[in-house]
Amino acid sequence: AQSVTQLDSQVPVFEEAPVELRCNYSSSVSVYLFWYVQYPNQGLQLLLKYLSGSTLVKGINGFEAEFNKSQTSFHLRKPSVHISDTAEYFCAVNTGNQFYFGTGTSLTVIP
Amino acid sequence: DAGVIQSPRHEVTEMGQEVTLRCKPISGHDYLFWYRQTMMRGLELLIYFNNNVPIDDSGMPEDRFSAKMPNASFSTLKIQPSEPRDSAVYFCASSPNLNTEAFFGQGTRLTVV
Repeated sequence: AQSVTQLDSQVPVFEEAPVELRCNYSSSVSVYLFWYVQYPNQGLQLLLKYLSGSTLVKGINGFEAEFNKSQTSFHLRKPSVHISDTAEYFCAVNTGNQFYFGTGTSLTVIP
Repeated sequence: DAGVIQSPRHEVTEMGQEVTLRCKPISGHDYLFWYRQTMMRGLELLIYFNNNVPIDDSGMPEDRFSAKMPNASFSTLKIQPSEPRDSAVYFCASSPNLNTEAFFGQGTRLTVV
């Protein structure tokens, strides 16, 4: 069975500080990995994706993520956060069969 | 393309009434997904279609829920009769295939009173 675990439900961080949002998955097959961001009262917007190739993936708004196959992780990072990064972040896995979403991490950037 | 379009954006209805949510996927996308988002359960996949055919409806909570995709450009999610516990945000998403990302609509916020 496939599953996605986001280890932190809430992450507060001060403005301009670095942040890492953790995501682990379990799958017996090859996967495609995604991070989405959801701003209040909006739909999910793709931040970045890993389909193949380089394990370090860069996305929009200065975010990046690294696929680690041995640790089955796909952690999201940003070296310096802004107030506007306050949102809900979802990790997702696609096994070629369907999408599986984590429960989300609420990032709050403190001025 | 205008992206995935959902209507209405907000729906308030009384318990027992029928509710129909609508979705127009991105043109050329073969996959369409319906999700429900609540605080308690997060983002749940209800059903998804491939080329207008329902593939997996195991996430549909009860017989009160039904979904159709009469053509490649339109899908509906119907709840009949609606109950207060159906209150949630319902998202539609589409994807060209299962090897890339899904594109989400803005969602429909349903409140059943």
